[in-house]
Amino acid sequence: SQKIEQNSEALNIQEGKTATLTCNYTNYSPAYLQWYRQDPGRGPVFLLLIRENEKEKRKERLKVTFDTTLKQSLFHITASQPADSATYLCALDSSGGYQKVTFGTGTKLQVIP
Amino acid sequence: NAGVTQTPKFQVLKTGQSMTLQCAQDMNHEYMSWYRQDPGMGLRLIHYSVGAGITDQGEVPNGYNVSRSTTEDFPLRLLSAAPSQTSVYFCASSYSGGNSPLHFGNGTRLTVT
Repeated sequence: SQKIEQNSEALNIQEGKTATLTCNYTNYSPAYLQWYRQDPGRGPVFLLLIRENEKEKRKERLKVTFDTTLKQSLFHITASQPADSATYLCALDSSGGYQKVTFGTGTKLQVIP
Repeated sequence: NAGVTQTPKFQVLKTGQSMTLQCAQDMNHEYMSWYRQDPGMGLRLIHYSVGAGITDQGEVPNGYNVSRSTTEDFPLRLLSAAPSQTSVYFCASSYSGGNSPLHFGNGTRLTVT
């Protein structure tokens, strides 16, 4: 069956360290993968999109990698801050181009001052 | 720009009642979608639309109807509410589906008693 798996346990990290979140998928061949941030009581907010022919993408303190062989994306936040505390979601087109976007369950990140 | 606007923010229904959750976007996006979010389940796709007059089912379509008569609006109808439909509902839009960022509304929290 098709699955998008994110670590459902919360990730606690000390301020200033690099946070690394994992998104694994099975039985998909996505052309692109997206990462979102969600704060309590709010809708998800788009962060980064990475295409299958891109190994890595960066935006300020954020970095995303995409390994289509391992079927895995890693999301890194460097020099983490308490304001980075939120739930992070990965998403991909699960329909082979027909634009059906499916999300993982998300990982809750807590940055401790 | 208002972005994606969802109404109402909160709603309580009795079992068997019907209602429509409204979603409007002012970004001229072709793609719109509805998700529900439940604890531990993540965001699950209910229905989506790739343009006016075109809709398709997502992962959990049963009990919900949609139509897309204009580019701007994508209402979600519950014909006969059930307690299992208690959830937070998010509407999203994007320029072209999975290969462009999704813009989310702030959700409707629905309770069915």
